[in-house]
Amino acid sequence: LAKTTQPISMDSYEGQEVNITCSHNNIATNDYITWYQQFPSQGPRFIIQGYKTKVTNEVASLFIPADRKSSTLSLPRVSLSDTAVYYCLVGQVIYNQGGKLIFGQGTELSVKP
Amino acid sequence: NAGVTQTPKFQVLKTGQSMTLQCAQDMNHEYMSWYRQDPGMGLRLIHYSVGAGITDQGEVPNGYNVSRSTTEDFPLRLLSAAPSQTSVYFCASRDTTSGGGNEQFFGPGTRLTVL
Repeated sequence: LAKTTQPISMDSYEGQEVNITCSHNNIATNDYITWYQQFPSQGPRFIIQGYKTKVTNEVASLFIPADRKSSTLSLPRVSLSDTAVYYCLVGQVIYNQGGKLIFGQGTELSVKP
Repeated sequence: NAGVTQTPKFQVLKTGQSMTLQCAQDMNHEYMSWYRQDPGMGLRLIHYSVGAGITDQGEVPNGYNVSRSTTEDFPLRLLSAAPSQTSVYFCASRDTTSGGGNEQFFGPGTRLTVL
């Protein structure tokens, strides 16, 4: 299983763009990169997933370079409600089989007014 | 849809007691998993299941048993509770049949304290 490394914490201000980078040097060919968000006292919530290049949804963008050894979650114009822990996961999308999805330590993002 | 439900929300046990944490999902997901999260820490995978009758160990399986007799339910049993098992337990499920990828849906958690 590919191990992920993220910054332990980050600070930002409302209205700024926040970029959280995750390192996954041992990513396998079949691995996808998935990001989750977790608020205190709640279960994690899926944000975005990608395999290569760029993926964008209504919440965030995910940038993945060609070598796929890292990825960057981009949150545009954060607000106080984006204060949470963000987890990067690397794992295989195995249809009809599943597989282990291992969480790392996550990045605690604090958004200030 | 109720999504993923967990019961109880809170539980206090004495050392040596056993209990079962319940998890159910109504999304017809084949894949289900259990994580624990200690204070200030990330989630650690305990056990997971890729379908009824099939379970496998995660990162920290010792002291826990699981079974999967139906698609909907995935109970987690603590055999003999220890203070080190004080944690918040999250159950999750995901669709592995129609492009759901690695999007897991998490329950609200069970907060367990072992005295």
